[in-house]
Amino acid sequence: DQQVKQNSPSLSVQEGRISILNCDYTNSMFDYFLWYKKYPAEGPTFLISISSIKDKNEDGRFTVFLNKSAKHLSLHIVPSQPGDSAVYFCAAVGQGGKLIFGQGTELSVKP
Amino acid sequence: EAGVAQSPRYKIIEKRQSVAFWCNPISGHATLYWYQQILGQGPKLLIQFQNNGVVDDSQLPKDRFSAERLKGVDSTLKIQPAKLEDSAVYLCASSTPGGRQGRYGYTFGSGTRLTVV
Repeated sequence: DQQVKQNSPSLSVQEGRISILNCDYTNSMFDYFLWYKKYPAEGPTFLISISSIKDKNEDGRFTVFLNKSAKHLSLHIVPSQPGDSAVYFCAAVGQGGKLIFGQGTELSVKP
Repeated sequence: EAGVAQSPRYKIIEKRQSVAFWCNPISGHATLYWYQQILGQGPKLLIQFQNNGVVDDSQLPKDRFSAERLKGVDSTLKIQPAKLEDSAVYLCASSTPGGRQGRYGYTFGSGTRLTVV
């Protein structure tokens, strides 16, 4: 039972363009979401988060949008840079503070 | 601040052997987690400690996996005996509310990549 889903295993964009990574969830009780970035041989690093009381949160080139009615969130990266190439995980906070992750989307930003 | 330390970084063992992983969380972080990340999937929680007590071990295969958190600080995760499907990256994380890592203040270690052959 996959409660958090990232349906695109990979995404390729040109440097300078926008990257949009999508995430869907099934549990309407989730009220806090996070995006993590993961390079090979490293642990996930925190990127940005959003509470369910908001529909948008912005931090520099990164913006997360939350659509509660659709149970959907997305991460926008503008402009995309080659250093953004990594695997991106969406996560929801479950009971007790544990993180429930999606499968990840591998982003490749080409020069 | 120092990050979450994990060792070893890599381990290759034969099936039916045993293996242990070690984690040292960020100082002062009361909550410690072990996650398993199988290739192509997102991390999945195995066990959560609050200080030295277990909060959630519902996804831990208790017939072969065990974990402890000594004096509420360091933690070890053991697999005995290992199976081929245990090949994965084992991530340790610690958290404290607030801070720059979002509301729950999660920080992950670099993980231990286990290969069972």
